[in-house]
Amino acid sequence: RKEVEQDPGPFNVPEGATVAFNCTYSNSASQSFFWYRQDCRKEPKLLMSVYSSGNEDGRFTAQLNRASQYISLLIRDSKLSDSATYLCVVGTGANNLFFGTGTRLTVIP
Amino acid sequence: ETGVTQTPRHLVMGMTNKKSLKCEQHLGHNAMYWYKQSAKKPLELMFVYSLEERVENNSVPSRFSPECPNSSHLFLHLHTLQPEDSALYLCASSPLGEKLFFGSGTQLSVL
Repeated sequence: RKEVEQDPGPFNVPEGATVAFNCTYSNSASQSFFWYRQDCRKEPKLLMSVYSSGNEDGRFTAQLNRASQYISLLIRDSKLSDSATYLCVVGTGANNLFFGTGTRLTVIP
Repeated sequence: ETGVTQTPRHLVMGMTNKKSLKCEQHLGHNAMYWYKQSAKKPLELMFVYSLEERVENNSVPSRFSPECPNSSHLFLHLHTLQPEDSALYLCASSPLGEKLFFGSGTQLSVL
């Protein structure tokens, strides 16, 4: 079983839409949860950490469900600039992080 | 932008060549990493250096050899690579916390 699993997509949504991604993880001892964004031919960049109580950053909301071992990312009012691949990252520390294969999002005008 | 710079951006090499990838971080972080990203696969951790000491190598083939001369610099020495080693090689640093800051990567093609 993979450490981290994501729906690869692609998700094609119109501007202004709300889109949600889920990611499941296999290690119940995981303590670190992140969403990274990777643009085509660029490096991954941290989008947001995911905390147990859930957290929000502008149009982005991340949630953690430890019981079901998944994290989610919700993007509201999608912009063209949100088009990218979103990587789910889970682990027990910086030296033990596992990346998902990523979910590709395309926001259409 | 992120304070982690990698060179070269692109590299084409033959299977008998020897080359090195270079990474430099200007963020004062204590840990540095090499990751490999192949098409349609998740990022794979290759090497970790924490406070200039290697802490993980994840069974990487010996044709990849890392070097960390100080906390700001990291190298990946390559020799006798195989075509399946073609990938994007990403360097990252971390302040011994959890968040990773990546360099722009080296796109490697092995012919």
